[in-house]
Amino acid sequence: EVQLVQSGAEEKKAGESLRISCKGSGYSFISYWITWVRHMPGKGLEWMGQIDPSDSYTNYSPSFQGHVTISAAKSISTAYLQWSSLMASDTAIYYCARHRSRNSLFQHWGQGTLVTVSS
Amino acid sequence: QSVLTQPPSASGTPGQRVTISCSGSSSSIGSNTVNWYQLLPGTAPKLLIYSTDQRPSGVPDRFSGSKSGTSASLAISRLQSADEAEYYCAAWDDRLNGRWVFGGGTKLTVL
Repeated sequence: EVQLVQSGAEEKKAGESLRISCKGSGYSFISYWITWVRHMPGKGLEWMGQIDPSDSYTNYSPSFQGHVTISAAKSISTAYLQWSSLMASDTAIYYCARHRSRNSLFQHWGQGTLVTVSS
Repeated sequence: QSVLTQPPSASGTPGQRVTISCSGSSSSIGSNTVNWYQLLPGTAPKLLIYSTDQRPSGVPDRFSGSKSGTSASLAISRLQSADEAEYYCAAWDDRLNGRWVFGGGTKLTVL
């Protein structure tokens, strides 16, 4: 069974750093891209960026470029979303999803990670 | 402001048919297929329609998708209370290095 299991909820202060994870199982991790999506309270879904775990090639939304870093450790089938300095506006649920190629559909999703940032 | 435009809300009574629109551009919907996702409170998004008009296994045939030019639509027939959710369209946008774009979401209320 294909599963994407994300790390647990986080409570941080503005200015702190954070890395959340998304572990894939039940499939060949390097054969599928991982995308990260933000869902802010009361707002819509936003695509943040994607990574090809086979070579760690990344592609970011202009809205998130420079503010987050997407990476992957293929040896442990895990993708990461990282902030070096959180802002209160980063408070949201973050989802990972897998897809076969950069422009193919997101069929399997992680359960989401709630990140709460206080100022 | 989302790149794809959806109405913020829609409603219908049980048994009715409702349609949700999604407007894009030549570089997004005009050039690529559209996917639709259903978001229920407290759950991860669920793929509802892919490649504009295809249903994944397990999705009832009450859900259907279509596209014309730079706009797409999701239709839900024989509306049920369980369909009350947020619905999002998504498409690949060929501009810059390529990126995924979502609609702002439509909250469907079953009256």
